[in-house]
Amino acid sequence: DGGITQSPKYLFRKEGQNVTLSCEQNLNHDAMYWYRQDPGQGLRLIYYSQIVNDFQKGDIAEGYSVSREKKESFPLTVTSAQKNPTAFYLCASSIGRGRDQPQHFGDGTRLSIL
Amino acid sequence: KNEVEQSPQNLTAQEGEFITINCSYSVGISALHWLQQHPGGGIVSLFMLSSGKKKHGRLIATINIQEKHSSLHITASHPRDSAVYICAVRLGTRGNEKLTFGTGTRLTIIP
Repeated sequence: DGGITQSPKYLFRKEGQNVTLSCEQNLNHDAMYWYRQDPGQGLRLIYYSQIVNDFQKGDIAEGYSVSREKKESFPLTVTSAQKNPTAFYLCASSIGRGRDQPQHFGDGTRLSIL
Repeated sequence: KNEVEQSPQNLTAQEGEFITINCSYSVGISALHWLQQHPGGGIVSLFMLSSGKKKHGRLIATINIQEKHSSLHITASHPRDSAVYICAVRLGTRGNEKLTFGTGTRLTIIP
């Protein structure tokens, strides 16, 4: 079955440590997205990529980095510069052709600070 | 003021009741999405619409572009419908690839 796989489901970060969240899709989608979800707030866009080897900052990119070396993979690194990383992180993808397409979401990664 | 407002924030109903969740937005959009987030956190896309009405099983979504308002209806509600329902819009800015999300409506259906 096609879909989006995020791993790990739970992740713990120590102070000063970088951690990387994995997102893989086998839907052959061009566009991929990373969102952050905090209690009581709507999803906020961290980074997005519309094509391999290209990505753009979203609304809250500070303290995060991404890469898009392969179409199916869009890993997110939470750096030590992100001072409040505890949140639920969701990856999504869409076909990318044309402006209005549904987004398919992964099951998320919950990141906590040790 | 948020660009996307949902109401109510929380809704509890008895099994079998007709459910309505509302979404209002403040600027022109090209498309509106309804999403369902289950307790484990995964999100499923329910509808994407830019005009009129769409139906899938017991779920119906409507949108009124002039009034900048959309509703999600659930007929014959069931406990498995318990989830957070999220409205998201693609603002009508040329080249805008981003969705703006509401904060969600938490629905609980009691058997």
